[in-house]
Amino acid sequence: ETGVTQTPRHLVMGMTNKKSLKCEQHLGHNAMYWYKQSAKKPLELMFVYSLEERVENNSVPSRFSPECPNSSHLFLHLHTLQPEDSALYLCASSQDSGRREQYFGPGTRLTVT
Amino acid sequence: AQSVTQPDIHITVSEGASLELRCNYSYGATPYLFWYVQSPGQGLQLLLKYFSGDTLVQGIKGFEAEFKRSQSSFNLRKPSVHWSDAAEYFCAVGLPGGYQKVTFGTGTKLQVIP
Repeated sequence: ETGVTQTPRHLVMGMTNKKSLKCEQHLGHNAMYWYKQSAKKPLELMFVYSLEERVENNSVPSRFSPECPNSSHLFLHLHTLQPEDSALYLCASSQDSGRREQYFGPGTRLTVT
Repeated sequence: AQSVTQPDIHITVSEGASLELRCNYSYGATPYLFWYVQSPGQGLQLLLKYFSGDTLVQGIKGFEAEFKRSQSSFNLRKPSVHWSDAAEYFCAVGLPGGYQKVTFGTGTKLQVIP
């Protein structure tokens, strides 16, 4: 596997379910990001981890819970979501040394019913 | 805080025609600048980036962009568009230092007609 992978690619869940999104990067980077992409809205940064430490939490509701056990893996735990949380969730990684671009995974298309 | 404006929500061009997608940013100093492309159902792929130096940068798939400090712009260009270029294009601004906190524009959707 190369680059940034995300699983699952598609997820349908009810509002009372608990699920997790997984992201793995094979690029040797040390910063990882979660973004939310909704139709007709700009890409929203949700969380940033740098060297496995959360450095940014953009006022995201507590029903979204990130976890970064090591520099290669990032999870987004979901519980009691709302229909408006339906979106494409994108994971990205970069080298945490300033002049580095982000590399994105293919995303997880989440539908909350 | 930095911001990015992509004034064109949707652009249609004929295959073989030239393309220019506009991007303007707002930031006190020269930020890092990026263009990404997103095909339907996919993540974002980096086309090119500008950090410093030569203001005309070359990217993948035949794209180039020019940084114009006086106009706070970073427009994306391609001399001859192919049908496979149909996608959504995002301009992004990054702040120097530390992890890359990047602000994305709202995107320009490109349609290519035969």
